Amino acid sequence: DAGITQSPRHKVTETGTPVTLRCHQTENHRYMYWYRQDPGHGLRLIHYSYGVKDTDKGEVSDGYSVSRSKTEDFLLTLESATSSQTSVYFCAIGNRDLYEQYFGPGTRLTVT
Amino acid sequence: QKEVEQNSGPLSVPEGAIASLNCTYSDRVSQSFFWYRQYSGKSPELIMSIYSNGDKEDGRFTAQLNKASQYVSLLIRDSQPSDSATYLCAVEGGRGSTLGRLYFGRGTQLTVWP
Repeated sequence: DAGITQSPRHKVTETGTPVTLRCHQTENHRYMYWYRQDPGHGLRLIHYSYGVKDTDKGEVSDGYSVSRSKTEDFLLTLESATSSQTSVYFCAIGNRDLYEQYFGPGTRLTVT
Repeated sequence: QKEVEQNSGPLSVPEGAIASLNCTYSDRVSQSFFWYRQYSGKSPELIMSIYSNGDKEDGRFTAQLNKASQYVSLLIRDSQPSDSATYLCAVEGGRGSTLGRLYFGRGTQLTVWP
């Protein structure tokens, strides 16, 4: 998985609780991305980062926030989890010269 | 909103056949195109990148790009059961705030039967 890890790999949480997912890379890539993947929707971008403390919204950012205090770590926070946020979350790192992206192993999140 | 459409599938081919996967995209400004393979329960894996019109070959895989028709395809020759997966087409945004962002199709599920 190109030096990318995600934690936790599985999580079950209750509606209304905050949840933080972590993405860690050892490739020193400047660009990092958070996606969610749902049946019938494919992969959709939540937020992305183009450097430490530099982040921007993707197409499905409502209900999510991110932070990047170090090059290697990109955190995704669900402020108050809802059942609609039950999904598989993938982190990716980007080679900006070629626009290639490499994905982490994913986190399966269930909100009950 | 940038649209990326793939043939919905599922696609089923016998072992040894050629599997053809197709993708069209809506924004002519896009210049970079990618194919990912995703096995069930796993993460997407980049298998091909293509940036110029024409064909690009890598082993049993050939990506074909036609920017005028806004069409990109992936051919898998001598298909093997291990090729059974979902194939995702991704298109780079091409300009402004979408530069560097990838837009994905919903994927085509391929089954190769022995």
